[in-house]
Amino acid sequence: ETGVTQSPTHLIKTRGQQVTLRCSSQSGHNTVSWYQQALGQGPQFIFQYYREEENGRGNFPPRFSGLQFPNYSSELNVNALELDDSALYLCASSSGPQETQYFGPGTRLLVL
Amino acid sequence: DQQVKQNSPSLSVQEGRISILNCDYTNSMFDYFLWYKKYPAEGPTFLISISSIKDKNEDGRFTVFLNKSAKHLSLHIVPSQPGDSAVYFCAASGGTGNQFYFGTGTSLTVIP
Repeated sequence: ETGVTQSPTHLIKTRGQQVTLRCSSQSGHNTVSWYQQALGQGPQFIFQYYREEENGRGNFPPRFSGLQFPNYSSELNVNALELDDSALYLCASSSGPQETQYFGPGTRLLVL
Repeated sequence: DQQVKQNSPSLSVQEGRISILNCDYTNSMFDYFLWYKKYPAEGPTFLISISSIKDKNEDGRFTVFLNKSAKHLSLHIVPSQPGDSAVYFCAASGGTGNQFYFGTGTSLTVIP
């Protein structure tokens, strides 16, 4: 059974650019949630996808958008990057919207 | 507005002794609580969970206690081992929405 994987592991972008992060969910899971973890903070919920539809969103602006594919993998897109977007982005998959979430290793994004 | 709080940023414990990590929450609608462990450069790993219908859940060396009236939960690790040294996050969910709310983490160091 394969766990949650994320790509890339690290990324450096400049302000104003756009970025796409990818996540493959654990086998048998149909729900993916994305989190942003700033240094010294806990993960902050960005949004959740369940069966290819957005199923809840945290307090993040519309320039954070996502997608879930028929195989339940997911993408997080961030447009018009800002310095404060520098963080660890975590993807978690689960067998349902309110079930235990299992995290990938994260993508560390640095915006210069 | 931090709905889940871990007021101790760090904790040091001797190997073999008990580690007690604490977590407080403010939202009375939360009905599912989890603890995650995080090593550097890895995503959070699920440890143990508890539903609000219980006040205790045990899994090997790990026990989670829930005090709903005090809106408090704790994780007990006994006996503590050097490999337990990591950052521990508590998380909660429930009520409207599907997001998990995380605390800011407690860094546990188990001294050999």
